[in-house]
Amino acid sequence: DAGVIQSPRHEVTEMGQEVTLRCKPISGHDYLFWYRQTMMRGLELLIYFNNNVPIDDSGMPEDRFSAKMPNASFSTLKIQPSEPRDSAVYFCASSLGRSNTGELFFGEGSRLTVL
Amino acid sequence: KQEVTQIPAALSVPEGENLVLNCSFTDSAIYNLQWFRQDPGKGLTSLLLIQSSQREQTSGRLNASLDKSSGRSTLYIAASQPGDSATYLCAVSMWSSYKLIFGSGTRLLVRP
Repeated sequence: DAGVIQSPRHEVTEMGQEVTLRCKPISGHDYLFWYRQTMMRGLELLIYFNNNVPIDDSGMPEDRFSAKMPNASFSTLKIQPSEPRDSAVYFCASSLGRSNTGELFFGEGSRLTVL
Repeated sequence: KQEVTQIPAALSVPEGENLVLNCSFTDSAIYNLQWFRQDPGKGLTSLLLIQSSQREQTSGRLNASLDKSSGRSTLYIAASQPGDSATYLCAVSMWSSYKLIFGSGTRLLVRP
């Protein structure tokens, strides 16, 4: 399998612009997670889905952030409008859940810079 | 609220040395614990996963142990190599949630 695939790998945008990050989980995985990594706060869970349904979005910073999973093979994280404090690396991860070991597999991340 | 701590934050050792990385957590009601490796500018690579019913897991030169009662896990790396240089993160998930809660990591440098 190709692993978790994220795009774009790098995004530079200006404050106020809309940003869309994309993720393709490992085929057959029924859990999908969005994490954000910064130097100050480390890795933080933003939201996770089970069978395309959002289960816990308590980590989403504010209404400017939204995430969708229209089908089992695709998810998006959208920031509108973007702000400089949103600059971070955003990771997507997927898992088979606890019917298996629950092991998480991460993508390479999308590095976002908001000027 | 579960908190995960990793000590030390950074470690520099000569090649060939055996070393131990530490991870502690405050709530022992964990479902599993995972150790990851992260290279600069890269994603996280899963190294070892220990279920709450297990005491240790081994993969090659890596051995991870889990002591739930004391809220600790250790990652033992035998005969370290420069290619082991990376940041190592531990993370726990709870019975009540699928969330992985991460420590801040230990940055390891193995000097040739």
